[in-house]
Amino acid sequence: DIVMTQSPDSLAVSLGERATINCKSSQSVLYSSNNKNYLAWYQQRPGQPPRLLIQWASTRESGVPDRFSGSGSETDFTLTISSLQTEDVAVYYCQHYYGGPPWTFGQGTKVEI
Amino acid sequence: EVLLVESGGGLVKPGGSLRLSCVASGFTFSNKWMSWVRQAPGKGLEWVGRIKSKAAGGITDYAAPVKGRFTISRDDSESTLYLDMNSLKSEDTAVYYCATESNPLDYWGQGTLVTVSS
Repeated sequence: DIVMTQSPDSLAVSLGERATINCKSSQSVLYSSNNKNYLAWYQQRPGQPPRLLIQWASTRESGVPDRFSGSGSETDFTLTISSLQTEDVAVYYCQHYYGGPPWTFGQGTKVEI
Repeated sequence: EVLLVESGGGLVKPGGSLRLSCVASGFTFSNKWMSWVRQAPGKGLEWVGRIKSKAAGGITDYAAPVKGRFTISRDDSESTLYLDMNSLKSEDTAVYYCATESNPLDYWGQGTLVTVSS
């Protein structure tokens, strides 16, 4: 199974400042035939279900503010919030969907102000 | 608007059984692959299993901790996904979410809480 490891486990960022979350997979999630990374990011606000933010490592979902961006390839990925807002307080998870299941998630990164 | 509504959670004794349901609307349910994901209190997300569409063979896959104890099924005529849970253990205590699976998990329900305790 692919193991997903996020860092840090938590971080505190001032309003308007940048937040950076890292995610590392135990094997490459880049599919060479289509050059796509099978990596997603989710946001889970307190008391809410997860919400898909980014798929294919860098493609924002409709309605996701452009202050959220994803980058990286193969085994190393980053979620960046360019200017933190109060509504961004949440736990963020990365997840691979490469090959077949089991789909695995990182342990989560808690973002606070 | 895509809507997924889970139900059926509750308190059950160790070794007991429970059936969760997830009623879907706002999309063509029969075309979608569906997953269950759980979250133990204060913990992270754990994929439980999935069922492909009938057009894709209706094949099910399960995470190792639940294989042989949990069964996922679907009733496309009722746009409903099911999770039958048997031989429940305390470590199965969690909020259970259903989600559509379109590479990756794009829409999620609000979840239903299952508590396994004597």
